[in-house]
Amino acid sequence: GQQVMQIPQYQHVQEGEDFTTYCNSSTTLSNIQWYKQRPGGHPVFLIQLVKSGEVKKQKRLTFQFGEAKKNSSLHITATQTTDVGTYFCAGPATDSWGKFQFGAGTQVVVTP
Amino acid sequence: DGGITQSPKYLFRKEGQNVTLSCEQNLNHDAMYWYRQDPGQGLRLIYYSQIVNDFQKGDIAEGYSVSREKKESFPLTVTSAQKNPTAFYLCASTPGGAGTEAFFGQGTRLTVV
Repeated sequence: GQQVMQIPQYQHVQEGEDFTTYCNSSTTLSNIQWYKQRPGGHPVFLIQLVKSGEVKKQKRLTFQFGEAKKNSSLHITATQTTDVGTYFCAGPATDSWGKFQFGAGTQVVVTP
Repeated sequence: DGGITQSPKYLFRKEGQNVTLSCEQNLNHDAMYWYRQDPGQGLRLIYYSQIVNDFQKGDIAEGYSVSREKKESFPLTVTSAQKNPTAFYLCASTPGGAGTEAFFGQGTRLTVV
């Protein structure tokens, strides 16, 4: 069945450093979404990518959708303590209309 | 303000009891979802509904039941058949299925005592 995998599972970052988290799907996706969940909170939508090779920026966050629309990345520059949380990618499931397929998430810990 | 509301925030249940978690949205969204999240884990889909009076099983539906009698409401019942119900439960809604932004409720933390 369809799988959406995220790497790494955990990311320890020194404040001020950059890092990248990756999302890989076993099937081609029509679109991909990214969510952020702060500790103790609920997932909050960050962005949606639709086009092949699309790149979108939100301040220090850069999102990219692969040319084959099977992978995506989130790059954060100059990490801050406010970036702490778990980042999930999600795409439409191919076996059922209306169903999301979430990755397991990348848990980010920032050291001051 | 429009949004999605889950209640209660914390819930304690004795083993063998059924319990119902509430999820209400005033966003006029057609699709609603229930997810389970265990510590340090991702989101696992329990049930989802694309339209009133219709719903589908997700990946871990055993021991759970839902209803969708109104567009605004999608309650989840955790039955005594669910062997390990202690978890964080999240409800979400979207205006048009998986190709659109999902809005999540604040979640209900269920503990079996």
